[in-house]
Amino acid sequence: GNSVTQMEGPVTLSEEAFLTINCTYTATGYPSLFWYVQYPGEGLQLLLKATKADDKGSNKGFEATYRKETTSFHLEKGSVQVSDSAVYFCALSLNTGGFKTIFGAGTRLFVKA
Amino acid sequence: EAGVVQSPRYKIIEKKQPVAFWCNPISGHNTLYWYLQNLGQGPELLIRYENEEAVDDSQLPKDRFSAERLKGVDSTLKIQPAELGDSAVYLCASSQGQGETQYFGPGTRLLVL
Repeated sequence: GNSVTQMEGPVTLSEEAFLTINCTYTATGYPSLFWYVQYPGEGLQLLLKATKADDKGSNKGFEATYRKETTSFHLEKGSVQVSDSAVYFCALSLNTGGFKTIFGAGTRLFVKA
Repeated sequence: EAGVVQSPRYKIIEKKQPVAFWCNPISGHNTLYWYLQNLGQGPELLIRYENEEAVDDSQLPKDRFSAERLKGVDSTLKIQPAELGDSAVYLCASSQGQGETQYFGPGTRLLVL
């Protein structure tokens, strides 16, 4: 079946540290891949996406590269800020008789000043 | 531009009572989604509408859950009767079409006592 696995949290970092949140997927076919972010008290927001192998999605200093050979889409940021504290969800979307989006369980990030 | 609006934001009810959630999608968005998000988990699709037609309700527990999207705009999700295990966050999202970027509302947090 189709699934998304991401690293368990919480992840706690100091400001300006390097961030990596791992995400791997299993899918039949060729999915699009996404990272969503959920700030406290708010809905999920699309952070970045990639639609085919070797594509790199980027936004707000965050990056992720679609790696077909390792079925991964790891999220990275070179220098995190306190304002990046949130829950990050990796997701895939594919058309199997209708589009379906499958989310990972989420990884909570705490950034300390 | 207004985002996806949901109400109420919070609801506390006793088990066996009915409850309803309302969603107003972004203007012009034909596709509307209802998701269930349990604590510490990612969203799971309950139902997806294309205009007023429910095109994917395979994960909707039809014995107690129902949804409607009259006129292809606003949507209501109902639970009757509610059970303790229904305590969760109910998210609504919309997109211009299937496969397009989804925009999420803030969710309705339901607590069943």
